[in-house]
Amino acid sequence: NAGVTQTPKFQVLKTGQSMTLQCAQDMNHEYMSWYRQDPGMGLRLIHYSVGAGITDQGEVPNGYNVSRSTTEDFPLRLLSAAPSQTSVYFCASSYSRSDTQYFGPGTRLTVL
Amino acid sequence: DQQVKQNSPSLSVQEGRISILNCDYTNSMFDYFLWYKKYPAEGPTFLISISSIKDKNEDGRFTVFLNKSAKHLSLHIVPSQPGDSAVYFCAASAYMTNAGKSTFGDGTTLTVKP
Repeated sequence: NAGVTQTPKFQVLKTGQSMTLQCAQDMNHEYMSWYRQDPGMGLRLIHYSVGAGITDQGEVPNGYNVSRSTTEDFPLRLLSAAPSQTSVYFCASSYSRSDTQYFGPGTRLTVL
Repeated sequence: DQQVKQNSPSLSVQEGRISILNCDYTNSMFDYFLWYKKYPAEGPTFLISISSIKDKNEDGRFTVFLNKSAKHLSLHIVPSQPGDSAVYFCAASAYMTNAGKSTFGDGTTLTVKP
């Protein structure tokens, strides 16, 4: 199993550009989440999904969209990048709501 | 208001000694607590968890203690090893809603000196 994979590893955007961060898992997990981690801070939940076709907002959803068309994939879209979105983004998945989360290696995003 | 707090940004201990990392929470709905370990340039990895029906959970060198009345949990690492040097995150969730929707503390950087 590859576990949770994220692409790209690094990305530099200009203000106003849009892009999609990719996340995939091959563990047949129902639950998937996106977090961002700013320097010196913990992980803050952006969006999460409890299964294909079902998504919900987390703590900091503004400026981000998600969709979950398959169990495996959970892409995160930045609609119009802003410098405040400079962060490290982690995708996570878990088998059930009582299960622990498996995290991807992260995407380091810089918005100029 | 931050619902999960790790008040010590950093901790330094000598190899072989005990490391104690602390975490406080404010939301009384939290009933499932986890510790994650994170190395630089990697995603967090699960370390140990505890349900609110327990006050202690042990896994090898790692023990988590939960004091529900004080809304406090701690992670003990005995004996500490240089490979334990990492950032440790405390996380909490309300099982009845979604354990995948965890609230994280800001982390404590542990340095274990040889």
